[in-house]
Amino acid sequence: AQKITQTQPGMFVQEKEAVTLDCTYDTSDQSYGLFWYKQPSSGEMIFLIYQGSYDEQNATEGRYSLNFQKARKSANLVISASQLGDSAMYFCAMREMDSNYQLIWGAGTKLIIKP
Amino acid sequence: DAGITQSPRHKVTETGTPVTLRCHQTENHRYMYWYRQDPGHGLRLIHYSYGVKDTDKGEVSDGYSVSRSKTEDFLLTLESATSSQTSVYFCAIQIPGLAGVRELFFGEGSRLTVL
Repeated sequence: AQKITQTQPGMFVQEKEAVTLDCTYDTSDQSYGLFWYKQPSSGEMIFLIYQGSYDEQNATEGRYSLNFQKARKSANLVISASQLGDSAMYFCAMREMDSNYQLIWGAGTKLIIKP
Repeated sequence: DAGITQSPRHKVTETGTPVTLRCHQTENHRYMYWYRQDPGHGLRLIHYSYGVKDTDKGEVSDGYSVSRSKTEDFLLTLESATSSQTSVYFCAIQIPGLAGVRELFFGEGSRLTVL
């Protein structure tokens, strides 16, 4: 069974608009962490934001925020005021407790920002 | 900043030949990982290491072996390359980030083509 599901293979968004990238996860652990990474066309993987399962507040990092809905098991990434440089693949990943820090990855969402 | 280099960055080889990819880190991080990335699959864990000579299998370990004789080097070997192993290979190290988040920091990737 898929543990991380990203339902949007691709998205087009107008520059300066806000973007929400969906991520749902499946785990029976109470302690886990959720990550978002960005992969531009150049290929490198860039860490964006992290949310712990016990964190009471949604994580924020600059223009990135994570809409964490624990009961729904969703961890959507929100990018405010999108920029052309936000065009990239975005991956959601989960780390479960006692997993030797392994990450389980979604298939990714390709985001294209239109000028 | 964590330093991590992968070599070679690009390689074309023939079916049945052995291939070794090297991952080198400049700091003494304990955990190192090898992933492969294929379209529609996100990142899939091949093998990981939690110390010198301590390694374990990931979800797609068949056809691959690893070795870690020094903290700074983690080698991935394809004993007899097959076309299905054509992929982009990423090495990652686990680094302590802000607020205790143990994020993965990735190398630039190695693109392997097996003809």
